[in-house]
Amino acid sequence: ETGVTQTPRHLVMGMTNKKSLKCEQHLGHNAMYWYKQSAKKPLELMFVYSLEERVENNSVPSRFSPECPNSSHLFLHLHTLQPEDSALYLCASSQGLAGEGYEQYFGPGTRLTVT
Amino acid sequence: RKEVEQDPGPFNVPEGATVAFNCTYSNSASQSFFWYRQDCRKEPKLLMSVYSSGNEDGRFTAQLNRASQYISLLIRDSKLSDSATYLCVPGSNYKLTFGKGTLLTVNP
Repeated sequence: ETGVTQTPRHLVMGMTNKKSLKCEQHLGHNAMYWYKQSAKKPLELMFVYSLEERVENNSVPSRFSPECPNSSHLFLHLHTLQPEDSALYLCASSQGLAGEGYEQYFGPGTRLTVT
Repeated sequence: RKEVEQDPGPFNVPEGATVAFNCTYSNSASQSFFWYRQDCRKEPKLLMSVYSSGNEDGRFTAQLNRASQYISLLIRDSKLSDSATYLCVPGSNYKLTFGKGTLLTVNP
């Protein structure tokens, strides 16, 4: 399935590094999301974009910085992360805003390890 | 009260068994409801939307009781490939709220 793609699939970075995660959706959707999934925890919503406008910043630390240049692409810029930020980062998209009945589809995720 | 509460599991059932998952949600403003499945170390995949009148998709039946804020999923004639974590997901406004999920293992 290639509806939502994410790169890289795995990333190891030091606490002083800067890196970016990329998400691309090929479904013609208007909304995109970043989630974090830590071990044995539910998915946590981080950011929501609708028509390239951010509609939610769910109390996420500023070391995570999203960017949505167009409705097909979403980035998550990372800098000075902490070891507790190690997790699976999932991108998702939906035709309209999730929660209003629109089904949300996920990418395969980026497994991030902060050393 | 947690936003989404699911059976803690895990469930271990033989092939061919019928298994039921239960879920309650706390946000009475929730407007949409879904079940997702997640395989180990993979992304969640949409299993089915849940409609007020209940709906069925092959071996899977979902029910919603808005008054009780309760959602259920029934799997009939379970297959080995049904082994996964099942996530109950209510939604309101722009967001979906994911539960911790219930792990199902179907044994040969």
